[in-house]
Amino acid sequence: DSGVTQTPKHLITATGQRVTLRCSPRSGDLSVYWYQQSLDQGLQFLIQYYNGEERAKGNILERFSAQQFPDLHSELNLSSLELGDSALYFCASSPRLAGGPGGELFFGEGSRLTVL
Amino acid sequence: AQKITQTQPGMFVQEKEAVTLDCTYDTSDQSYGLFWYKQPSSGEMIFLIYQGSYDEQNATEGRYSLNFQKARKSANLVISASQLGDSAMYFCAMHTGNQFYFGTGTSLTVIP
Repeated sequence: DSGVTQTPKHLITATGQRVTLRCSPRSGDLSVYWYQQSLDQGLQFLIQYYNGEERAKGNILERFSAQQFPDLHSELNLSSLELGDSALYFCASSPRLAGGPGGELFFGEGSRLTVL
Repeated sequence: AQKITQTQPGMFVQEKEAVTLDCTYDTSDQSYGLFWYKQPSSGEMIFLIYQGSYDEQNATEGRYSLNFQKARKSANLVISASQLGDSAMYFCAMHTGNQFYFGTGTSLTVIP
């Protein structure tokens, strides 16, 4: 158990819909990352927050948005869903801006999104 | 550009044997970290081992060791005495410039 909690674990929805994925980082971790893992594209970095502020942005679509709240939990909002958005979405946390010894990412179990 | 390359999509190893999973990286940064993660079929990502760019000795964690060759920009994972439970996807990752970069992974199958 990494200590990172993601909900829901599984989600099935239709094209055009909107979903919200939730992540609670490990206690004390200030940094939260979101990744998308699909079969053909590996692990794609979406966005990073540190102590409530956006710190880095990856290949995140304009239909997607995220935020980190004062209690440090984070939400990833996916809207106008398309079939290609079906993937495993990971949240990961780290005690600091990450990197370096002790700065590894701790991953949640992921939220598997299926868009029909 | 920062990049991680894992050229072995799939590997097989006999139980109790050692196996090396290849990873090369590309960065012009002097300070970076290299990580390996394991992803079993259940899906979670499990941290295995870390190597810093300034570390002179190869990192070891139990049956895992990281063969770090800085001049060749390689960070291969060596698993000794393979067990059936080692069957999983393995991802190499690099942290630099406040971002993590992941390879495409290697699928390891341990044969009884």
